[in-house]
Amino acid sequence: DARVTQTPRHKVTEMGQEVTMRCQPILGHNTVFWYRQTMMQGLELLAYFRNRAPLDDSGMPKDRFSAEMPDATLATLKIQPSEPRDSAVYFCASGSSGGIGRQFFGPGTRLTVL
Amino acid sequence: DAKTTQPPSMDCAEGRAANLPCNHSTISGNEYVYWYRQIHSQGPQYIIHGLKNNETNEMASLIITEDRKSSTLILPHATLRDTAVYYCIVRVVNAGGTSYGKLTFGQGTILTVHP
Repeated sequence: DARVTQTPRHKVTEMGQEVTMRCQPILGHNTVFWYRQTMMQGLELLAYFRNRAPLDDSGMPKDRFSAEMPDATLATLKIQPSEPRDSAVYFCASGSSGGIGRQFFGPGTRLTVL
Repeated sequence: DAKTTQPPSMDCAEGRAANLPCNHSTISGNEYVYWYRQIHSQGPQYIIHGLKNNETNEMASLIITEDRKSSTLILPHATLRDTAVYYCIVRVVNAGGTSYGKLTFGQGTILTVHP
């Protein structure tokens, strides 16, 4: 089965450090989404891309977060500098804009900022 | 996208049907109903979607009322592995049949299947 992969699966870092999370979407999917999940806020959309171009990043704190797609097989989410309130599980999802709107989620990166 | 309302939690006995309701009274004509679920420590998983007709796939059935203001997800024979948070989401699909944009997740329904 084709799957979305995310690395690392777990990350523990200290406040102020840079964090980079990576996502490999399913081959052929042209839409990539980044979500964040916390107990308090639930699942929130941070940003999404279509054909590698950012379409909506309104859910992302602009001063410290950045999302990019260097190529069709890699999406990155960076936090610099990280803060304890960034501790969450970050999910990447991919889909096909020509399809039914179904999104395939990766296993997530669990980030802990001390 | 229209807002949805779901009960916070439900229980179901293993082997019985689980019927999860969702209210979406402000749904528009071009909005579909999607269901996803999230098993503990995993990413959300697509289950099924529909516009106005009832739908069935290998995982579940979706019953949408005639006025489209509510729907029910049915897991016909629930197993312990169906214990998860179930999300009902309403989103726009454009006239060309393509879907753009985000899924807005609410709090969902925690379904617990017990032996």
